[in-house]
Amino acid sequence: AQSVTQLGSHVSVSEGALVLLRCNYSSSVPPYLFWYVQYPNQGLQLLLKYTSAATLVKGINGFEAEFKKSETSFHLTKPSAHMSDAAEYFCAVTQYQAGTALIFGKGTTLSVSS
Amino acid sequence: GAVVSQHPSWVICKSGTSVKIECRSLDFQATTMFWYRQFPKQSLMLMATSNEGSKATYEQGVEKDKFLINHASLTLSTLTVTSAHPEDSSFYICSAREAGSSYEQYFGPGTRLTVT
Repeated sequence: AQSVTQLGSHVSVSEGALVLLRCNYSSSVPPYLFWYVQYPNQGLQLLLKYTSAATLVKGINGFEAEFKKSETSFHLTKPSAHMSDAAEYFCAVTQYQAGTALIFGKGTTLSVSS
Repeated sequence: GAVVSQHPSWVICKSGTSVKIECRSLDFQATTMFWYRQFPKQSLMLMATSNEGSKATYEQGVEKDKFLINHASLTLSTLTVTSAHPEDSSFYICSAREAGSSYEQYFGPGTRLTVT
């Protein structure tokens, strides 16, 4: 079975500070990993994805994540937080197989203060 | 490309009535669609996997007679909440996987259901 664990349900940073959202996965097969962002009362927006190519993945809005197999991690980072980054962030895992759904972590709420 | 729509975006219904939510892939054919449920301040929980032309596969703990899923075409899946109760109030999100794709999913904007 696959699962993801997001460490820290709530992360607070100051505007301009580094953003680090943690995600660890568990998978018996090579995983495909995703980060999504959700704004209040809206659907999910894909930030970036890892699909077994480059381990450092760059996404939209200045976010990036690094796949570390030895640590079973896929942490999301952004060098400088903006007020508009305040939202809910979800890490998700699936496997290379038709019909397999995404399994989501519990989410991390990012707050950005001025 | 790869747009998924949901209708309605927001619905209020009375307890005991049924509500149908549509999920459409607008510019691609989706052999598989997924239905998720999200309670306030919580994550998305998979409810069921819907394959075109066959019966949906429900996750453990999801009542298939209460949450009827139909995937009659390659662009449309529907979720009907039958005899809705206030505890069914939630945010329902669908996603669609394009035919031929092994992992890529595209999410709809969600439907907010409030049962009074």
